[in-house]
Amino acid sequence: DTGVSQDPRHKITKRGQNVTFRCDPISEHNRLYWYRQTLGQGPEFLTYFQNEAQLEKSRLLSDRFSAERPKGSFSTLEIQRTEQGDSAMYLCASSLGRRVYEQYFGPGTRLTVT
Amino acid sequence: AQTVTQSQPEMSVQEAETVTLSCTYDTSESDYYLFWYKQPPSRQMILVIRQEAYKQQNATENRFSVNFQKAAKSFSLKISDSQLGDAAMYFCAYFARDDKIIFGKGTRLHILP
Repeated sequence: DTGVSQDPRHKITKRGQNVTFRCDPISEHNRLYWYRQTLGQGPEFLTYFQNEAQLEKSRLLSDRFSAERPKGSFSTLEIQRTEQGDSAMYLCASSLGRRVYEQYFGPGTRLTVT
Repeated sequence: AQTVTQSQPEMSVQEAETVTLSCTYDTSESDYYLFWYKQPPSRQMILVIRQEAYKQQNATENRFSVNFQKAAKSFSLKISDSQLGDAAMYFCAYFARDDKIIFGKGTRLHILP
């Protein structure tokens, strides 16, 4: 059973550009979460999916952010018109419905906006 | 709103010694989970130990154990026989029925050889 994978691992972009990250959860995990971790802080919840349905979005997720999980498997997180404040580690986690508290984390995508 | 507080930004311990990391939390829920996660440098977050709030017995995983004080809303992590591989950021975290994990700011643990 492979773990949660994320791609790319690192992304450097210029302010104003759009970026997209991908997360592949553990197979058969129906829940998928996105968190953001800035330097020196713990991860903060952004949004989560149960299968293809996006069930909750944090107020941290401005309208420049959009997440999808079209077939209930992998998910993408897109940031439009990036700002320097978007620089962070974006973490993905997945869990199985009956054990939703047991979230397995991916290695993260580190975004640097210059 | 639920909060998790880790008051020790950094700690150091000699190899083979014991260290305790502190965590307090605030919640109005009676049923929840508490966790300690480890995040080594440039590596992914892994679960160290989990405690269900309804269980009075403190969780133990090999060299890692917790002291769960529900009334005081305290949840500390004890690492015995510290090893160099224990060096990492440690996050205390909380989970309840709203389905997301709330993390503290973390404690960076240094192991001194």
